[in-house]
Amino acid sequence: EADIYQTPRYLVIGTGKKITLECSQTMGHDKMYWYQQDPGMELHLIHYSYGVNSTEKGDLSSESTVSRIRTEHFPLTLESARPSHTSQYLCASSSVLNTEAFFGQGTRLTVV
Amino acid sequence: GQQLNQSPQSMFIQEGEDVSMNCTSSSIFNTWLWYKQDPGEGPVLLIALYKAGELTSNGRLTAQFGITRKDSFLNISASIPSDVGIYFCAGQGNNNFNKFYFGSGTKLNVKP
Repeated sequence: EADIYQTPRYLVIGTGKKITLECSQTMGHDKMYWYQQDPGMELHLIHYSYGVNSTEKGDLSSESTVSRIRTEHFPLTLESARPSHTSQYLCASSSVLNTEAFFGQGTRLTVV
Repeated sequence: GQQLNQSPQSMFIQEGEDVSMNCTSSSIFNTWLWYKQDPGEGPVLLIALYKAGELTSNGRLTAQFGITRKDSFLNISASIPSDVGIYFCAGQGNNNFNKFYFGSGTKLNVKP
């Protein structure tokens, strides 16, 4: 069973608010990822990290930012939320040796 | 980024029937992963494949890593209502060991 946790599960906020989506894993994985997914659609990689102090932008351009100060923690921040940011955000992690990626339960974000 | 072609896009089957879905890529992959996603949840890893030609089972699920390393299929035998969900393939290629590329998903509906 995967030990990767995302909070909150659901979030409804007003336009212009700053938000941080939390992702933590207890597996000691070096690699972490953020995906954006609209309901029933494919996953788009928006950020990933090789390890502490490493962050890279993914294939889909995103106005969000990430940080990786600790191995287990990979938060995603939106400085000023807009309705176009409404989506599900999925965090995942994998180890260097084992390429299997494990996902959190996701955060469903709605910006009104 | 790389693209995976996953088919079929959706399936409507009767309980007890077998199901088959596949993914193809224009590039060679070192790893193929198959996930199932329930509505509002994160994808859950079903099967991981690491070698060309590898055939792996997980209960009623069987997946194979294609000989050319550019394709993979997933079979579900004797489907049951709880098999309903979206199935995603994911591949990890030669040139970038930090990204997984996802297919667009196969939405499975099972009629009791």
